[in-house]
Amino acid sequence: DAKTTQPNSMESNEEEPVHLPCNHSTISGTDYIHWYRQLPSQGPEYVIHGLTSNVNNRMASLAIAEDRKSSTLILHRATLRDAAVYYCILREFGGSQGNLIFGKGTKLSVKP
Amino acid sequence: DTGVSQDPRHKITKRGQNVTFRCDPISEHNRLYWYRQTLGQGPEFLTYFQNEAQLEKSRLLSNRFSAERPKGSFSTLEIQRTEQGDSAMYLCASSLADRANEKLFFGSGTQLSVL
Repeated sequence: DAKTTQPNSMESNEEEPVHLPCNHSTISGTDYIHWYRQLPSQGPEYVIHGLTSNVNNRMASLAIAEDRKSSTLILHRATLRDAAVYYCILREFGGSQGNLIFGKGTKLSVKP
Repeated sequence: DTGVSQDPRHKITKRGQNVTFRCDPISEHNRLYWYRQTLGQGPEFLTYFQNEAQLEKSRLLSNRFSAERPKGSFSTLEIQRTEQGDSAMYLCASSLADRANEKLFFGSGTQLSVL
């Protein structure tokens, strides 16, 4: 499985944008980039995913580098409820493996 | 509530006992996953089903662990002869199989403590 590298932790102030980086230098052409987050005492929840183009949804934006070796999850205005562990995961399109391989993720703290 | 439901939320057992957890997925979802998570780590894949077929099991999955999804709906995960190292959060997720856009929906988990 292709690996991802994320910072262990990041801090942000409330109502400011947050940029969460992820490196995936060994990504293959058929790997999708998925982001999940896990709030305290809950299971992970889907945030966003993409292949090559930048993606936006109601939760966040995903900016993907042109060479696809890195990506950034953007929270446009952090709130206290965004404090969570954020996981960047590569998933092969149509691959035989059905599962997602989680790393340790980035623990985001949001200060009021 | 139409989300993924897991039961029980908490389980305390003595070493050597058997335990069984249940997961009820979102009703139209055909895939169901089991993960395990220990403190400070990301979830670790255990096994998954498509409908009633168990398609993959982690190499790390001990033979004391068994999972079933008898009618392609709910699933059970049984751990026999529990050990202290089995203490963890057991997470269930479900999804609709999709080659490009599959999204997993997780339950809140079952916290197992083995004394």
